[in-house]
Order: sequence, then structure tokens, then C-alpha cells
Amino acid sequence: DVKVTQSSRYLVKRTGEKVFLECVQDMDHENMFWYRQDPGLGLRLIYFSYDVKMKEKGDIPEGYSVSREKKERFSLILESASTNQTSMYLCASSPGQWEQFFGPGTRLTVL
Amino acid sequence: GQQLNQSPQSMFIQEGEDVSMNCTSSSIFNTWLWYKQDPGEGPVLLIALYKAGELTSNGRLTAQFGITRKDSFLNISASIPSDVGIYFCAGQLRRAQFYFGTGTSLTVIP
Repeated sequence: DVKVTQSSRYLVKRTGEKVFLECVQDMDHENMFWYRQDPGLGLRLIYFSYDVKMKEKGDIPEGYSVSREKKERFSLILESASTNQTSMYLCASSPGQWEQFFGPGTRLTVL
Repeated sequence: GQQLNQSPQSMFIQEGEDVSMNCTSSSIFNTWLWYKQDPGEGPVLLIALYKAGELTSNGRLTAQFGITRKDSFLNISASIPSDVGIYFCAGQLRRAQFYFGTGTSLTVIP
């Protein structure tokens, strides 16, 4: 079974803090993704990566950056957290052209 | 970004009833996917569809990839309480381009 893990299930940070969200997949997938999920808006793509050290902006990259130094790990960085970044963050991986597999999510609250 | 039109937004049904939900898009997709999300968890893949017209079952779940490649539906037969959750459709245009519906919230009344 594909396993995608995220470093924290719940996180509370203060405005202006730098926040790291980590995601690890164990199936040697090429592609990895970061989404945020908000009520009524569904899943919105922040960034994705199709190879080590490669990254592409999604629909809402502002205020975020990513890092992919190793194939199995994809990190989402909030350089200076703001209250409007309070959300559920979902990481996913995909072997290529087919389905995505999601992690359990990190619920981030920025105070 | 693109979004899929998923309906209905929510459903309240009696245990044992059948459920039907669908997704439509103005774009042609190569793959349609259906996910279920339990509260506080990430979406879990239920069914993946790869060809226009394809009809695929997974237990009590059946999904179809529309002939026009612009729509898909999901049916759940004989619903049970553990079917409660949010169901999402997703369409894939090409590698790494997935678009999601806004979800259908399902409540099953015992």
C-alpha cells in the first residue's frame, strides 16, 4: 500500500512565524503535491514537483515556497505565517499519469 | 484554476437507500477519480477511471467515465452508516494537472 505521511496532524503558530510542513512518501513516486482545503472551496493546488529539485507553481502559490531535496520528501514552507493561511494542508503523491494518493492532512491554525 | 461542478452539495439519506452524485466539466479529462474523505483525514481513493465509457465497480460503489470525457458519476448502493463523509471527484488533464470538485457531503441516517 502507498503510504504518504505528514509530519504533524495539528499545528498552531503565531503570525509572522516561519512554518515547515513535511511530507514523505514511500513508493518512489515522481510527482508530489501540496494542496490547501477550505470549506466551500475544495482542494486548491499550491505547488507541485515532478522531480527532485523541480517545482511548479499551482493555483495559489503566494505566501508559500517548497523544497524537494530528495525524491521521497516534499516540504511546504510558509515564510511568514498569516491568519489567512489557517487551513487544512494536504500532501499527495502520484506515480506518473495516474491517481494521486493523499496524506492524512495537517490542520494549521495561525493566531 | 479550474474547478469541476459537483452535485449535489449535500445529501441526507436513510440507511439502505442508493446514492448518486456526479461531476461535470467544460474540459475533456484523461482520467476521472473519486475520493472519500472522513472528518479530519485526507481523501482516500475509491475508484479510478481511465477510458471514456468505462464503468467500474468497487464493492457497493460504481462509477462511470462519461462518453464525452467531460463528466463522471458515482453510485453507492444500499448505503450504510460508515458511508458518511465527503466525496470528491477529480479529473486529470495531463501529468500533475488534477482538478477537484467541491465535494458532496453524505449523511446516512440509521
